[in-house]
Amino acid sequence: DGGITQSPKYLFRKEGQNVTLSCEQNLNHDAMYWYRQDPGQGLRLIYYSQIVNDFQKGDIAEGYSVSREKKESFPLTVTSAQKNPTAFYLCASRPGGGASGANVLTFGAGSRLTVL
Amino acid sequence: DAKTTQPNSMESNEEEPVHLPCNHSTISGTDYIHWYRQLPSQGPEYVIHGLTSNVNNRMASLAIAEDRKSSTLILHRATLRDAAVYYCILIQGATGTASKLTFGTGTRLQVTL
Repeated sequence: DGGITQSPKYLFRKEGQNVTLSCEQNLNHDAMYWYRQDPGQGLRLIYYSQIVNDFQKGDIAEGYSVSREKKESFPLTVTSAQKNPTAFYLCASRPGGGASGANVLTFGAGSRLTVL
Repeated sequence: DAKTTQPNSMESNEEEPVHLPCNHSTISGTDYIHWYRQLPSQGPEYVIHGLTSNVNNRMASLAIAEDRKSSTLILHRATLRDAAVYYCILIQGATGTASKLTFGTGTRLQVTL
């Protein structure tokens, strides 16, 4: 079955450490997105990518980095510069590179990061 | 990007219809209206989307105002499994433009027996 796989599901890290969250999709989607969700809050956009080797900052990109070397993969690195990284991270993808507003978003199950 | 406004929370009794409103007064002519819902500790899932005409699918109905400045997601018979946070977002339909998809805080729907 096609879908988005996020790993790990749960991750603990010490302050000052970088950590990379994986997002892989086998839907052949062009566009991919990373969102952050804090308890009881909505989704905030971190980074998004329309095509391979291209990505743009979202609303809260500081302290995060991404790469898009392959169409199916969009890893997110939470760096030590991110002051409050404990959150639920969601990856999503969409076909057509965002060209059509009718294209639907598909989300992964999320990764919960806790900084100790 | 056009923004949406939704009530923070709503309550419904089981087996009753639920109407979840969304205001998007700055919507452009090419923006599609999408609805997603998120169950606790899960990723959001697609519910329904539309452009101008009302839409129906197995999960819900979407009623779009004639001026497109508001829409309503209709759950015809709410069940306990429908308790979730519902998000209304706008997605650009124009070609060749980057689509920065921004979510609001959504509406938390509580369903009671």
